Amino acid sequence: DTEVTQTPKHLVMGMTNKKSLKCEQHMGHRAMYWYKQKAKKPPELMFVYSYEKLSINESVPSRFSPECPNSSLLNLHLHALQPEDSALYLCASSQDGGGREKLFFGSGTQLSVL
Amino acid sequence: GEDVEQSLFLSVREGDSSVINCTYTDSSSTYLYWYKQEPGAGLQLLTYIFSNMDMKQDQRLTVLLNKKDKHLSLRIADTQTGDSAIYFCAAPNDMNRDDKIIFGKGTRLHILP
Repeated sequence: DTEVTQTPKHLVMGMTNKKSLKCEQHMGHRAMYWYKQKAKKPPELMFVYSYEKLSINESVPSRFSPECPNSSLLNLHLHALQPEDSALYLCASSQDGGGREKLFFGSGTQLSVL
Repeated sequence: GEDVEQSLFLSVREGDSSVINCTYTDSSSTYLYWYKQEPGAGLQLLTYIFSNMDMKQDQRLTVLLNKKDKHLSLRIADTQTGDSAIYFCAAPNDMNRDDKIIFGKGTRLHILP
């Protein structure tokens, strides 16, 4: 299994809603990532978990809250988002998180904030 | 830190070769990557090259690395409509040792019939 699975594929939420994005991998990878991608732009790193510990937080606003319940699962909790947060949110995983590794991406959650 | 640059758009006739170019700044980069993103999808690792290699070939894909000029290219032979996508060049931020991968802005490959 070389897949990274993300749910939901699409999400529309209001600015007062609370929602969660989910990501799962069964490749035995110990590093998992959240990226944000705006249209026609490269992905921007948000968070990295390595061995279930948060190792990188790219100064992301607190309305985004990551959680790594175990080495296979990664969540992104969303609360009080702004319309400018509308984007494609990509989850990725890699072997250890050593920074030189191949990344395996999910197909993303397309988020629209109204 | 690392900076990765690539042209934004390339238009190629079906059956011709496509060459996508990339430059990077960190001469200590160990691996260099090419990712492909089709519309509505995530990024897919297409190929990669280790910094002690000059060339890597994988079926229709050829990666060339010029370390002196810090220039990386991806050649796609016999370009097909399924190759229409955005191609991202990526390099690790080895100089800063901060475990990040730096992506270029992406080259949108358009296939003409």
